[in-house]
Amino acid sequence: DAKTTQPPSMDCAEGRAANLPCNHSTISGNEYVYWYRQIHSQGPQYIIHGLKNNETNEMASLIITEDRKSSTLILPHATLRDTAVYYCIAAAISNDYKLSFGAGTTVTVRA
Amino acid sequence: NAGVMQNPRHLVRRRGQEARLRCSPMKGHSHVYWYRQLPEEGLKFMVYLQKENIIDESGMPKERFSAEFPKEGPSILRIQQVVRGDSAAYFCASSPARTGGSYEQYFGPGTRLTVT
Repeated sequence: DAKTTQPPSMDCAEGRAANLPCNHSTISGNEYVYWYRQIHSQGPQYIIHGLKNNETNEMASLIITEDRKSSTLILPHATLRDTAVYYCIAAAISNDYKLSFGAGTTVTVRA
Repeated sequence: NAGVMQNPRHLVRRRGQEARLRCSPMKGHSHVYWYRQLPEEGLKFMVYLQKENIIDESGMPKERFSAEFPKEGPSILRIQQVVRGDSAAYFCASSPARTGGSYEQYFGPGTRLTVT
């Protein structure tokens, strides 16, 4: 699976949009981009995933560049409860059950 | 609609004892995954099971660790003769049967194992 690179941390103001970047320059055509988050001491929570089209659900939007080398997770209106470690994971369809969690981005939402 | 359940939430074992961690998947889910998170690290895949079958155990240590998902009852992750290095949070996830394409995993709250 392709390696992903994320900034180690970022701050966001409550009520503002949070834009979380992820670089996956070696991603191959059959690899999805998944986003999960882990709130302190809890199990990871699925957020969203996509292959090449932009995706939106009730939690977030995922913007994937046309060349698929990077993506951005957008939390439209961050709340204090969105403070968590966010993981960007690239996984091939054949073994996307084997999620590989890196260091992620620690997002702190401030009032 | 109950989520993935894990018990116990906290488990303390002395070196050399056995640890049994249980995972009940979400209703309707037939696939279970176990992950381990060492202190200050990301989650690492251990094993993927379907009912009565181990699909992929490539992340499991070769010795002392085993996993099962019987026809009836929860999935069990068993660690024999625990050592201090086994101290970690163990997370279970589940998903519905794969019908092609991608899918998300739903994680439980984890079991925190402490080996003294």
